[in-house]
Amino acid sequence: GENVEQHPSTLSVQEGDSAVIKCTYSDSASNYFPWYKQELGKRPQLIIDIRSNVGEKKDQRIAVTLNKTAKHFSLHITETQPEDSAVYFCAARILTGGGNKLTFGTGTQLKVEL
Amino acid sequence: GAVVSQHPSRVICKSGTSVKIECRSLDFQATTMFWYRQFPKQSLMLMATSNEGSKATYEQGVEKDKFLINHASLTLSTLTVTSAHPEDSSFYICSASGQAYNSPLHFGNGTRLTVT
Repeated sequence: GENVEQHPSTLSVQEGDSAVIKCTYSDSASNYFPWYKQELGKRPQLIIDIRSNVGEKKDQRIAVTLNKTAKHFSLHITETQPEDSAVYFCAARILTGGGNKLTFGTGTQLKVEL
Repeated sequence: GAVVSQHPSRVICKSGTSVKIECRSLDFQATTMFWYRQFPKQSLMLMATSNEGSKATYEQGVEKDKFLINHASLTLSTLTVTSAHPEDSSFYICSASGQAYNSPLHFGNGTRLTVT
């Protein structure tokens, strides 16, 4: 089955700096890669996603890049703000047929310091 | 947007009792529902996948007789933790997807289970 690794496990940045979180996946059939933000005790919130036919996607301060050959993808947050502090999870999924499962990475605790 | 409702949000029970958690899709037909468990400071681990009208598929290491999943309709799936023990204390969260192969996943708000 799919295995998703995520680094770093914790990340502390100063407000205004950029944050980068990296993930690798094992199953070359995976073709959908979402990123989630989870605050304590709450459900994961989708913040951005990318499909395998695209190398990069950007939404305001958030961007994701995908390298299919190397099987890794990254989340980039620019101009970080205190409210960006949360746990971030990458995930991988195969979008063929209905209802294929999502495999999560191990998570990154991001702390944005004033 | 699509909404998935999960109840209860918190439950405390005694060892040996059973607890049922409900997951409802409010404005779409959820062909498939996924049940995850999350221990503190850890990732979401898939427990099982349920398709409407058929038996759930459990991940390796998850006891199907302990975690009973029912997906009797396109809008409701339930997870019953039977004979709960303190080690079952965790955050349980469901997610649902529609019929299209590329349907997004919508998460419930989760259930914090504490077994005393």
